[in-house]
Amino acid sequence: KAGVTQTPRYLIKTRGQQVTLSCSPISGHRSVSWYQQTPGQGLQFLFEYFSETQRNKGNFPGRFSGRQFSNSRSEMNVSTLELGDSALYLCASSLGSASGNTIYFGEGSWLTVV
Amino acid sequence: TQLLEQSPQFLSIQEGENLTVYCNSSSVFSSLQWYRQEPGEGPVLLVTVVTGGEVKKLKRLTFQFGDARKDSSLHITAAQPGDTGLYLCAGEDTGGGNKLTFGTGTQLKVEL
Repeated sequence: KAGVTQTPRYLIKTRGQQVTLSCSPISGHRSVSWYQQTPGQGLQFLFEYFSETQRNKGNFPGRFSGRQFSNSRSEMNVSTLELGDSALYLCASSLGSASGNTIYFGEGSWLTVV
Repeated sequence: TQLLEQSPQFLSIQEGENLTVYCNSSSVFSSLQWYRQEPGEGPVLLVTVVTGGEVKKLKRLTFQFGDARKDSSLHITAAQPGDTGLYLCAGEDTGGGNKLTFGTGTQLKVEL
């Protein structure tokens, strides 16, 4: 079955702009979470959505937001981009949110802010 | 704030050697997962350990979860060039919700 699909794969934005990244989870998966990966900070949890509701949020400023649609697809948005937002943004999906569920990652969206 | 420290940070070895990667925390996790990530790709799950003291084997890879569910280790025997990659441990929050705290990562390079 198809894996987690993220679009776009690569993008370049200018400081101050905003960006929207999209994630299609594995069919049947209802939980979608987002992570930011940078060389300096590693992989950090942004937020998690389950059945269109944000259930967990990491320690990121309000410029980072997300949403989930009724078909479980998710988007994340970063407004007023800063150079430090340059990173690999990873989406992950799982069947549910119970402990021990296998979490599958997409290939990520590479964002460069110039 | 939960933190997971991995050691070593970098490891360069010859094919056929054995190695162990450690993942330590002061926090308890409901489960601990190990991933391998290759350049330009997302992390790929290798194993999930749930029970304190649990040992799982995946071919040449052996994973162990500490008795107190705070630490874990990954041991690779007879490493091969195909094992090269970034190895990440990740602890699942005891509150559930698929919130993973990732370790600092171990970059492994296996040379011929």
